[in-house]
Amino acid sequence: AQTVTQSQPEMSVQEAETVTLSCTYDTSENNYYLFWYKQPPSRQMILVIRQEAYKQQNATENRFSVNFQKAAKSFSLKISDSQLGDTAMYFCAFNFGNEKLTFGTGTRLTIIP
Amino acid sequence: DTAVSQTPKYLVTQMGNDKSIKCEQNLGHDTMYWYKQDSKKFLKIMFSYNNKELIINETVPNRFSPKSPDKAHLNLHINSLELGDSAVYFCASSRQQRGYEKLFFGSGTQLSVL
Repeated sequence: AQTVTQSQPEMSVQEAETVTLSCTYDTSENNYYLFWYKQPPSRQMILVIRQEAYKQQNATENRFSVNFQKAAKSFSLKISDSQLGDTAMYFCAFNFGNEKLTFGTGTRLTIIP
Repeated sequence: DTAVSQTPKYLVTQMGNDKSIKCEQNLGHDTMYWYKQDSKKFLKIMFSYNNKELIINETVPNRFSPKSPDKAHLNLHINSLELGDSAVYFCASSRQQRGYEKLFFGSGTQLSVL
């Protein structure tokens, strides 16, 4: 079975600090695609960052970076210099080669002014 | 100019009624999707269409019927609404149906069945 687990239902951090959101998964596939999506209070889902499993180098997008540990099946998201606008639900998601995204249960992140 | 737009944003209706949600994308994408987000924020795919052809039908009750008149539109019709259908329904699109593709989501339709 292919499963995705986000073990932190809620997190909060002070503005300008760094925060890491955890995500683990289970699959027997060798090549797959990993994503972090953000859902702000406006409700619209927005892609934050994505990674291909066969690539060794961790993806980065400005203040957002991932720590992809393939052997440990871990895919965490690091947000540096957090901003108030980062307050949102964050979902990790995977495409395990079956052309559909499987989402985790989400982490509600609050940035405190 | 909204890339993926769905209407209505909110839908409140009685049990047993039939309702439709419309979705349109102006990105020129080939693939469109319907996702359901339940009260615990869990997101799950319902359907995907590629160039008007149904690709994924994810064990959704027959009361749910998607229709894609052209590749820019994917509508969702729900018959005989039940209390458990209350959720937020998201339409999304992607350039192609490939694993690495970014999904563009609409802003969701919150359906409340009373």
